[in-house]
Amino acid sequence: SQKIEQNSEALNIQEGKTATLTCNYTNYSPAYLQWYRQDPGRGPVFLLLIRENEKEKRKERLKVTFDTTLKQSLFHITASQPADSATYLCALVGTGGFKTIFGAGTRLFVKA
Amino acid sequence: DARVTQTPRHKVTEMGQEVTMRCQPILGHNTVFWYRQTMMQGLELLAYFRNRAPLDDSGMPKDRFSAEMPDATLATLKIQPSEPRDSAVYFCASGLARLRTEAFFGQGTRLTVV
Repeated sequence: SQKIEQNSEALNIQEGKTATLTCNYTNYSPAYLQWYRQDPGRGPVFLLLIRENEKEKRKERLKVTFDTTLKQSLFHITASQPADSATYLCALVGTGGFKTIFGAGTRLFVKA
Repeated sequence: DARVTQTPRHKVTEMGQEVTMRCQPILGHNTVFWYRQTMMQGLELLAYFRNRAPLDDSGMPKDRFSAEMPDATLATLKIQPSEPRDSAVYFCASGLARLRTEAFFGQGTRLTVV
């Protein structure tokens, strides 16, 4: 069955450092991979999308890589700030439609 | 500004009662998703609709859950009868299938079944 794995343990880093989050998947060939941010008590908010034929995407301090051979995406936040503390969710969008499935998320804490 | 609206925000009910959750997708969006989020399982896809027709509801327990879109501005998720294990946050999201870029989420309905 389709499976998406994200680091279940929280990631603690110091302000100013780069945070790197991992998303691995099996039994799936997504057309897109997305990253969302979720704050406590709120719904997820879209951050970035990368297509299957793209290796890397950047947006301000965010960078996403996508390796379809390894079935893995890495999500980087450079020059991290305490305001970046949140849960980050990886999502896969299927080729046949818009079916979007999510990983369980990784909690990030950025200490000042 | 455009947003997905879910009601109610919180619901506490007794086991065995019917629960109805409502969602107003963003105007013009033709795809609606229902997700359930728990600490143990994360964000699970229950069902999704395109142009009001159900495309996939394989994630939904069929015996007690039902999802419908009576019209383009309303999606409903019903649980009858509810059970304590249904306690979770239920999210609705909408998007444009043509773009397949992102899903816009509502604030969620926090359901507690006692």
